[in-house]
Amino acid sequence: NAGVMQNPRHLVRRRGQEARLRCSPMKGHSHVYWYRQLPEEGLKFMVYLQKENIIDESGMPKERFSAEFPKEGPSILRIQQVVRGDSAAYFCASSPPSGGGTDTQYFGPGTRLTVL
Amino acid sequence: SQQGEEDPQALSIQEGENATMNCSYKTSINNLQWYRQNSGRGLVHLILIRSNEREKHSGRLRVTLDTSKKSSSLLITASRAADTASYFCARTAGGTSYGKLTFGQGTILTVHP
Repeated sequence: NAGVMQNPRHLVRRRGQEARLRCSPMKGHSHVYWYRQLPEEGLKFMVYLQKENIIDESGMPKERFSAEFPKEGPSILRIQQVVRGDSAAYFCASSPPSGGGTDTQYFGPGTRLTVL
Repeated sequence: SQQGEEDPQALSIQEGENATMNCSYKTSINNLQWYRQNSGRGLVHLILIRSNEREKHSGRLRVTLDTSKKSSSLLITASRAADTASYFCARTAGGTSYGKLTFGQGTILTVHP
């Protein structure tokens, strides 16, 4: 059973470009979470999704950031018109359907975004 | 701040010694989880302890939870150089925070061979 997969592992973008980060949850998991880790800091929650639904987006910046988890395919975190302050490691986690989102979350290896 | 506090921020010990890391929080919780992160890597789940539990063990790891003091501790016994990493506590709360993990700032553990 493969773990949570994220790609790309490293992404370099110039200011103003778009960044798309992908996350495939563990098999059988229907809850997906995105977190951001700035250098030398802990992880900060961004968004919690189930298939085709955003459950909690209280940690998402109001502009330029969006997330989706379609019926088929990976979850996507999209950052439009990136700025240098978006440079960070973005982690995806997944958890199984039982427990209603309070079970153990399993993390992917992260995508390290660098904005030039 | 809704973030937890972890102490110490950094801990340096010799192989074979025990390492204790503490985590405090301000709001009620459903459960609390401990994770390890090696430099530049993803997070590895260590232990989950629920709000109605007081202690859990896994190998060389022991986690305690005191909900009256809103605090948890992670003890690593007989430490090894390979335990060198950052350790984070993360909690889930009920209500509108359902499913969301709130992380502490972490403790950087260095185990010298």
